[in-house]
Amino acid sequence: TAGITQAPTSQILAAGRSMTLRCTQDMRHNAMYWYRQDLGLGLRLIHYSNTAGTTGKGEVPDGYSVSRANTDDFPLTLASAVPSQTSVYFCASSLTADNTGELFFGEGSRLTVL
Amino acid sequence: GQNIDQPTEMTATEGAIVQINCTYQTSGFNGLFWYQQHAGEAPTFLSYNVLDGLEEKGRFSSFLSRSKGYSYLLLKELQMKDSASYLCAVRDSNYQLIWGAGTKLIIKP
Repeated sequence: TAGITQAPTSQILAAGRSMTLRCTQDMRHNAMYWYRQDLGLGLRLIHYSNTAGTTGKGEVPDGYSVSRANTDDFPLTLASAVPSQTSVYFCASSLTADNTGELFFGEGSRLTVL
Repeated sequence: GQNIDQPTEMTATEGAIVQINCTYQTSGFNGLFWYQQHAGEAPTFLSYNVLDGLEEKGRFSSFLSRSKGYSYLLLKELQMKDSASYLCAVRDSNYQLIWGAGTKLIIKP
């Protein structure tokens, strides 16, 4: 079972360029999340989606946008990348929207903005 | 503000026992999670506590005291593969997860 697949695994991006991180899950989970992980900090929620067709802002949404056109896909877009967006990005999903269950994480996308 | 505190790094010996503490101050409480994250990999679920007491799962146990805002993860019979970061996360009254920065556990032979 694939679980959650993220692409690309890593990317170097010039500041000012746009980038979409892809996330696909095959577990038919209702809720999906995008986190960033930076050294010395806990995982920080960027955006989330409780169900297909809906999205919400997390703790650090500025500079990022998401869409949830269907259950399986939850892409994260950086419209104009800045160096402070250098991070490891994790997509995650859970069966229910109220976080009553565990999160399943993708393998992460390491993004470097120069 | 909301805060999760964990030690940054711990070192233990193979075969021994180690306890990783987590203290929290959050807006409400609806459960506490522990995740394991090996270097360069995704976090994976270890345990969940919502009531006070000890939850045991093989070599790993997790304890919760809601009145003290405190949890610990106990790892027994340590193996080299247990070298990883251990993340504590609390679900607040809005059902949002608040994450600690993680504890890097180094196992020495």
